[in-house]
Amino acid sequence: AQSVTQPDIHITVSEGASLELRCNYSYGATPYLFWYVQSPGQGLQLLLKYFSGDTLVQGIKGFEAEFKRSQSSFNLRKPSVHWSDAAEYFCAVGAQANQAGTALIFGKGTTLSVSS
Amino acid sequence: EPEVTQTPSHQVTQMGQEVILRCVPISNHLYFYWYRQILGQKVEFLVSFYNNEISEKSEIFDDQFSVERPDGSNFTLKIRSTKLEDSAMYFCASSELANEQFFGPGTRLTVL
Repeated sequence: AQSVTQPDIHITVSEGASLELRCNYSYGATPYLFWYVQSPGQGLQLLLKYFSGDTLVQGIKGFEAEFKRSQSSFNLRKPSVHWSDAAEYFCAVGAQANQAGTALIFGKGTTLSVSS
Repeated sequence: EPEVTQTPSHQVTQMGQEVILRCVPISNHLYFYWYRQILGQKVEFLVSFYNNEISEKSEIFDDQFSVERPDGSNFTLKIRSTKLEDSAMYFCASSELANEQFFGPGTRLTVL
């Protein structure tokens, strides 16, 4: 069965420092992969997605993620974190590739705190 | 920018009561979803809906749950007889095509 693992429950980063949030997935074929961000009291906002092609994908708010098939990973990165990036980040995989209407399987999330 | 909206933002109900959570998906989207997030846990898929019928559902989505698109804009989730363990944040999402789902702000359901 498909699954997503986010090994880090909570990460604290200094403002201006770089960030990497880890995501590992279990999936039998080429996955559809996503990163969502959830600010307190808000819904889930799509940061970026990977469907195919270039394994380094750019998203909103200066985020990027790299798909590494050999490591079954899709880690999220940002070169310089801003205090407004403090939120919860979720990695997700589409349960069935190339099929709309199918479930997203989410990881448990990583809470990012930003220190000044 | 178009967005998914949900009402109410917070619903409190007594155990055994029926609740209806409402969502207005993005207008040109064809696929609609409900997810839930129990406090401190991961977001879990409940059901997806396309062309006026359920296309996929999880084992969580049992007979006490139902979904409906009563008109051209709303998408609802009904819980017939709420239980304490139904307390969660419920998210509606919609998508136009493959899997790029856009989420609403959620409805926090509290069952007493």
